Amino acid sequence: DVKVTQSSRYLVKRTGEKVFLECVQDMDHENMFWYRQDPGLGLRLIYFSYDVKMKEKGDIPEGYSVSREKKERFSLILESASTNQTSMYLCASRGDRVSHEQYFGPGTRLTVT
Amino acid sequence: AQRVTQPEKLLSVFKGAPVELKCNYSYSGSPELFWYVQYSRQRLQLLLRHISRESIKGFTADLNKGETSFHLKKPFAQEEDSAMYYCALSGTTGFQKLVFGTGTRLLVSP
Repeated sequence: DVKVTQSSRYLVKRTGEKVFLECVQDMDHENMFWYRQDPGLGLRLIYFSYDVKMKEKGDIPEGYSVSREKKERFSLILESASTNQTSMYLCASRGDRVSHEQYFGPGTRLTVT
Repeated sequence: AQRVTQPEKLLSVFKGAPVELKCNYSYSGSPELFWYVQYSRQRLQLLLRHISRESIKGFTADLNKGETSFHLKKPFAQEEDSAMYYCALSGTTGFQKLVFGTGTRLLVSP
């Protein structure tokens, strides 16, 4: 069974703080993704990584960066958190390029005050 | 451009009633279509994909290329079907990402 874990379920940070969201998968998947989930907007792709040290911008990368130093770990970084980054953040991994199915973590609800 | 449209934010039905969650897409080619579901306090998970042509928890979805639709259907809704449902699309060549719709919340009342 695929397991995708995220470091925190709930996080509260202040405006201007640097924030790290961690994601770990245990299935040796090559591809990993970060989304934010907002009511009425669905899931929007922030960044993705198709291999270690490789990363690509998604649809809304502004204000975010990522790090993939090891295959199992994909980190999302908010360099200077702002209130409009208050959201639910979902990490996903994918190992099967044929089916395109993604496996999701439980999510981190980030509140920036 | 790839786009997925779910026109309904909320669909409210009574237990035992038929359910149809609408999904329309735009894609210049042959996409792969998915339905993902998120139950309360649970992670987002795959419900079904069009290439499998399977029925999961009584739900089915048929890809209609002429109408560019992938509606999710169930003949008799159950209270445990209450959840957030997302339609998603992926291309089938190169490195493809999932494009999600905005989601439909299904509420099944007793």
